[in-house]
Amino acid sequence: QVQLQESGPGLVKPSQTLSLTCTVSGASISTGAYTWSWIRQPAGKGLEWIGRIYSNGATYYNPSLKSRVTISRDTSKNQFSLRLTSVTAADTALYYCARELNFYGSGSSNWFDFWGQGTLVTVSS
Amino acid sequence: QSVLAQPPSASGTPGQKVTISCSGGSSNIGGNTVTWYRQVPGAAPQLLIYTNNKRPSGVPDRFSGSKSGTSASLAISGLQSGDEADYYCSTWDDSVKGPIFGGGTKLTVL
Repeated sequence: QVQLQESGPGLVKPSQTLSLTCTVSGASISTGAYTWSWIRQPAGKGLEWIGRIYSNGATYYNPSLKSRVTISRDTSKNQFSLRLTSVTAADTALYYCARELNFYGSGSSNWFDFWGQGTLVTVSS
Repeated sequence: QSVLAQPPSASGTPGQKVTISCSGGSSNIGGNTVTWYRQVPGAAPQLLIYTNNKRPSGVPDRFSGSKSGTSASLAISGLQSGDEADYYCSTWDDSVKGPIFGGGTKLTVL
């Protein structure tokens, strides 16, 4: 069974950098057709996809956050991480990591089949 | 404001059938498949329907999905109290080159 677990500080000051790590068990982040994503959810609101890292280490980010986001990985620990710079109160949210499957073509398909439990990050001084 | 439009709430009585709609555009639902997630309070979203109408193992056939043009629907038949949750639609967006989500529909079983 694939399991994901987010970890990192729950409180970040405005203008600083948010850093989270996702530890994956039951699957390798460096092999296979899956990609590994970060998604966030402000309290009482909907979901926003942040970005993904491919099994070969390539990354792709949501254009709305691209200038502030970096996703990286540590294959020796089977972990991938999120860095979000220059945070504001608008970045306060529950942050999830998830395994993603994509099929591209004339009718692309995308879904997240395994999710972490989520970690709350509050941006406040 | 979410790119995909969902009604904020839906309700039904036990045993009824409820349908939740999801509306998008040509760059998302119109050209790609739709996914549905279920989220109970305090838990992560759970995959419910993928590729418009496929159910992962373990999801009862009371849940079904469909898509037509730039809209999609999730139908839940034989409504149960345990179906109370937030339901989100999602699809690939050609501009984002990633998934986008609806704002979610809170389902209440009366």
